[in-house]
Amino acid sequence: DAGVTQSPTHLIKTRGQQVTLRCSPKSGHDTVSWYQQALGQGPQFIFQYYEEEERQRGNFPDRFSGHQFPNYSSELNVNALLLGDSALYLCASTLLTGISEKLFFGSGTQLSVL
Amino acid sequence: DAKTTQPNSMESNEEEPVHLPCNHSTISGTDYIHWYRQLPSQGPEYVIHGLTSNVNNRMASLAIAEDRKSSTLILHRATLRDAAVYYCILMGQGGSEKLVFGKGTKLTVNP
Repeated sequence: DAGVTQSPTHLIKTRGQQVTLRCSPKSGHDTVSWYQQALGQGPQFIFQYYEEEERQRGNFPDRFSGHQFPNYSSELNVNALLLGDSALYLCASTLLTGISEKLFFGSGTQLSVL
Repeated sequence: DAKTTQPNSMESNEEEPVHLPCNHSTISGTDYIHWYRQLPSQGPEYVIHGLTSNVNNRMASLAIAEDRKSSTLILHRATLRDAAVYYCILMGQGGSEKLVFGKGTKLTVNP
């Protein structure tokens, strides 16, 4: 059983460009969350998708948007890239049961904005 | 979101037990205590979680204080592969499944 898979593993973009990151959740999971991790910091919650809808959102600007597909996979889009968007982007999946469930994380996409 | 306090770093020797403390004095009655760890160049990995009673699994043990204002993650015999950043996180009941990470404790394991 594959765990959470993310693509690409590394990406280099320039300021002002747009980027799309992809995530396939662990088999059987219906909820996908995205996190941003700057160097030396803990991951910060961006948003969470369930049933193809954004369920909750962290303190990130509208330049960050996402999508969840019927097969539960998800995309994270970032428009008008800034240098400060350089970070490790992590995807996490879980099965939403209403009881505090554990999350499974992918290895992340390392985004560098030049 | 309720906050947790952890030491920035700890050091241990291989094959010795490690006790990683976490304070969460503002914990609510329905908050679960979760521990995750992040090895270098990897995403966070679930370690253990609990509500009131002590918990054991193949990776670690979680000791929860009677008043629930603190907890301790116990690695019974540290190995070099346990060197990681350990995060103590409170997650509310009700299906939020949102993790609020602090800076965690960086554990160094000496051979």
